Amino acid sequence: GAVVSQHPSRVICKSGTSVKIECRSLDFQATTMFWYRQFPKQSLMLMATSNEGSKATYEQGVEKDKFLINHASLTLSTLTVTSAHPEDSSFYICSANMVRGRQFFGPGTRLTVL
Amino acid sequence: QQQVKQSPQSLIVQKGGISIINCAYENTAFDYFPWYQQFPGKGPALLIAIRPDVSEKKEGRFTISFNKSAKQFSLHIMDSQPGDSATYFCAARVGETSGSRLTFGEGTQLTVNP
Repeated sequence: GAVVSQHPSRVICKSGTSVKIECRSLDFQATTMFWYRQFPKQSLMLMATSNEGSKATYEQGVEKDKFLINHASLTLSTLTVTSAHPEDSSFYICSANMVRGRQFFGPGTRLTVL
Repeated sequence: QQQVKQSPQSLIVQKGGISIINCAYENTAFDYFPWYQQFPGKGPALLIAIRPDVSEKKEGRFTISFNKSAKQFSLHIMDSQPGDSATYFCAARVGETSGSRLTFGEGTQLTVNP
């Protein structure tokens, strides 16, 4: 089946540093990818929609300068958390839609900001 | 505004029993209703999905029942096993283009006791 990968799977960083998370569709082309954030025991919260070759669309309340998204190719989208702070610690998950709309999720990235 | 409401929040079932999770939606434009299974520290995995032109879909031990007039759908897990212990999310979406976004329910934490 279709696979979406994420790298890294977990990252620990110091407050004030920037962290980049990669999301790749391994066996299909994804013109659109989605980035979610999930807190413990909560549902997935859509942060932004990443479109290949154009600017990302951010959900209300998500700081676009804080969470930089780049969709450089049909198989790669990146999320950069800039000047990370402890409140940015969370589980970040990307996903992509295949043909006929089946949406596949990556394994997630656990970010811990000290 | 929570467009997809899921219940119960948590569910404990004995091995071999039937697990039932319910979801209700508001947006009548939704035309795709998937269920996702998520284990701790992992991304959600598509379990089963239904479109509103059918009232039931079965895949192995998993069945979706769909009631269009009531705007409700449910997941039934037959012969529940300890390995089914996970968090389950219902979702809904309008359309099946690459940019179609999912609206998630709040999630149900299922525990199947041996």
